[in-house]
Amino acid sequence: GAGVSQSPRYKVAKRGQDVALRCDPISGHVSLFWYQQALGQGPEFLTYFQNEAQLDKSGLPSDRFFAERPEGSVSTLKIQRTQQEDSAVYLCASSLGEGQGNTEAFFGQGTRLTVV
Amino acid sequence: KQEVTQIPAALSVPEGENLVLNCSFTDSAIYNLQWFRQDPGKGLTSLLLIQSSQREQTSGRLNASLDKSSGRSTLYIAASQPGDSATYLCAVRFPPYNQGGKLIFGQGTELSVKP
Repeated sequence: GAGVSQSPRYKVAKRGQDVALRCDPISGHVSLFWYQQALGQGPEFLTYFQNEAQLDKSGLPSDRFFAERPEGSVSTLKIQRTQQEDSAVYLCASSLGEGQGNTEAFFGQGTRLTVV
Repeated sequence: KQEVTQIPAALSVPEGENLVLNCSFTDSAIYNLQWFRQDPGKGLTSLLLIQSSQREQTSGRLNASLDKSSGRSTLYIAASQPGDSATYLCAVRFPPYNQGGKLIFGQGTELSVKP
């Protein structure tokens, strides 16, 4: 596709509910990242995929957060038993990833999650 | 700990003024640095990417510089316009690259250009 696409754009979840956020990266991009952005803050890294392999999940805040990219394209970020502190914008980014010169990251519009 | 800091947090200028946004980072051994723009309620738009071997990059009215030895980057905006109003984010890629080039972001500078 022309850009990184995320869905839904907005999600309101009741505390304790499970949610799934989807990311469609730019076609052909090997690297895919998830970031979390709290209000008024810069984005913070959650996890990274190279094709279907999750190579870094050091930023996931708890074991309630789970991400997958089973076919090396579309990725899903799942949050189980949502809590109010999970309220944030979740951003997905992709890059060519084939070497240092191709690391420019392109971001989606984000999913704004509100837990009530 | 690898950190990125942006000063000021907010800036208001009259239309037409030239301005500089500052970014500093704690480790001079970086891969590259990327400047983004974020409009309210929107995602991030990439403005400029500077590789560690470069000293500056230019795109239109924007010029970004990089001084690794002092751990600083600046984003210069010439002849500012109201449409430049947005939050500007600086992000750095630190080694090791096997982490895929994840970005460490600053807090951003919220720019307001008054007509």
